[in-house]
Amino acid sequence: GDSVTQMEGPVTLSEEAFLTINCTYTATGYPSLFWYVQYPGEGLQLLLKATKADDKGSNKGFEATYRKETTSFHLEKGSVQVSDSAVYFCAASGGSYIPTFGRGTSLIVHP
Amino acid sequence: EAQVTQNPRYLITVTGKKLTVTCSQNMNHEYMSWYRQDPGLGLRQIYYSMNVEVTDKGDVPEGYKVSRKEKRNFPLILESPSPNQTSLYFCASRGTDRLRGLHFGNGTRLTVT
Repeated sequence: GDSVTQMEGPVTLSEEAFLTINCTYTATGYPSLFWYVQYPGEGLQLLLKATKADDKGSNKGFEATYRKETTSFHLEKGSVQVSDSAVYFCAASGGSYIPTFGRGTSLIVHP
Repeated sequence: EAQVTQNPRYLITVTGKKLTVTCSQNMNHEYMSWYRQDPGLGLRQIYYSMNVEVTDKGDVPEGYKVSRKEKRNFPLILESPSPNQTSLYFCASRGTDRLRGLHFGNGTRLTVT
């Protein structure tokens, strides 16, 4: 079945630092790829998505590019803020339409 | 406002006492699902439903039941809760367009003593 692997956290950064959270997937065919964000005490929210190779999803300053050759969908942001502190989940939705989630990566941003 | 509503937000119970966590969505979504979130294990799917009267097991269904008698509701039932079911539970829904991603409720934190 499909699987998603994320880098383990927590990732700790200072405000305005560059962020990368790695995500790789294994799936049959060409899955759709997603990043979700979970703020403290809340449910997950869709952050961005990409549906085909070389697509770039973007939202709130975050970006991720669908790389078919490396089966990756790494999340990046050029300058993080304290308010970005949250848990980030990578997910893939393949032919079964049932999304598969990574284990989540906690991001802590210090002032 | 489009939303997925779970109740209760917090629940403390004792081993063996049957409980139900409710989930309701107002977006006319076909797909609904239950997850549990545990430290170090991420999100694990318990059960899902592709439409009314259609339910399937996810990765960790043991000890749980679900029903989908109406499109908007998808309750999670623990017939005889045990301490290893202490967890944070999330309900999610999605329409027919799988590219739109899931809508999640705010979670139910369950403690079984």
